[in-house]
This record gives sequence, structure tokens and C-alpha cells, in this order.
Amino acid sequence: SQTIHQWPATLVQPVGSPLSLECTVEGTSNPNLYWYRQAAGRGLQLLFYSVGIGQISSEVPQNLSASRPQDRQFILSSKKLLLSDSGFYLCAWSYGNIEAFFGQGTRLTVV
Amino acid sequence: QKEVEQDPGPLSVPEGAIVSLNCTYSNSAFQYFMWYRQYSRKGPELLMYTYSSGNKEDGRFTAQVDKSSKYISLFIRDSQPSDSATYLCAMTPEGLTDSWGKLQFGAGTQVVVTP
Repeated sequence: SQTIHQWPATLVQPVGSPLSLECTVEGTSNPNLYWYRQAAGRGLQLLFYSVGIGQISSEVPQNLSASRPQDRQFILSSKKLLLSDSGFYLCAWSYGNIEAFFGQGTRLTVV
Repeated sequence: QKEVEQDPGPLSVPEGAIVSLNCTYSNSAFQYFMWYRQYSRKGPELLMYTYSSGNKEDGRFTAQVDKSSKYISLFIRDSQPSDSATYLCAMTPEGLTDSWGKLQFGAGTQVVVTP
């Protein structure tokens, strides 16, 4: 069966510090991978998606970047965090069906 | 204007009542309509989806889509305290399979079912 791992679960970082969130998927090959951010009262916003290694599409301009160094690994990064980067970050995958499977999320607080 | 509008609630109902949730949208290209359930501090999980207009029933859950009004609904019958969660509507245009995860979400409605 397929599983998705996302870590860390909680992160507190100072303004201006770098960020690296990692997501891995098991049990499937060549999945589509997504990073979403959930801000309070605003639902989920798609940040990045990837249909293959090295292929990244950005949905909104921001202080973040994404990379896919391996087929089932998706990384969200920032060189310098802003206060506005605080939120709940969710990784998801899908493959040829209607359902997007989400990880457990990382709650990021920038202080 | 947001593409998908959803009242954030909270919506509090007594156990056994019918929970009624809805979303409106503005993009007529949307064809697939989904409802996700999210427990506190967890990732969302898909409850059910419908394609185009019509009704779909799954146990205590019924999803309705009215494309002419750009309005979708989710009904939960015989609500239980375990149904307490945030319910998010999501939708996507019809297209290639590589776009299934590119969803437009509503803000989510927090539902509290009291014993």
C-alpha cells in the first residue's frame, strides 16, 4: 500500500532562517507530488506541483521553492523565512485517479 | 473574489441531527467536486467526489452538485461526535490525469457535533 511521510510535524524558526521540509512517498512510482499551505480560515492553497524528477511548477509567487531530487521525494525550501510564511504545510500525491493523498502536515511558526 | 467560497463556521449541531454544508464557486470549468474531512492537526482525507451535476450517496453522506447555480452541498445524516472535524470542499477542471491533485479548496467549515 502507498504511504506518504512528511516531517517534521512541528517547527519553530526565526525570521531570516532557512527552511527545508521533506516529503517522501512509498509504494508507488512516478507520482504527481504537491505542496499545499493552509492558513487559518483560508483553506488550502497549492504552492508547487511536480509530475516528475526535476519538474517543478509554481502556482503562486512567494518566498519558497521546491525540488524533486528523486522520484518519490519532494522538498520545500526557503533561504530566508518571513513571518508570513507561517502556516500548515501539506504534501500530497496523486496518480491517475481522482484522489489526492495528503501527509500529516508540518506546522511552521516563524517568530 | 475567491474561486471557491465556503463558510468557515463553526457549525454546532446536536448528535443525530443532519449537518448541511455547502460551497459556491465561480469557475464554470470545474467538473470534479470533492469533499475532504480534516481532523485537527491532521492532513485532509477524501470523503467522496462527484462528477458534473447530480447526487451521490455513501452511507450517511450525500453530496449534491448544481452546476447551473455553481453550488455544491454535503449532507451528513445521523451525525455523530466522531464527525466533528473541518470539512473542505475542493474542485478541479476536467483534464489530464496529471492535474488530479491541483485542487481549488474552500476555506473549510468546522463542524462540532455535541453528544
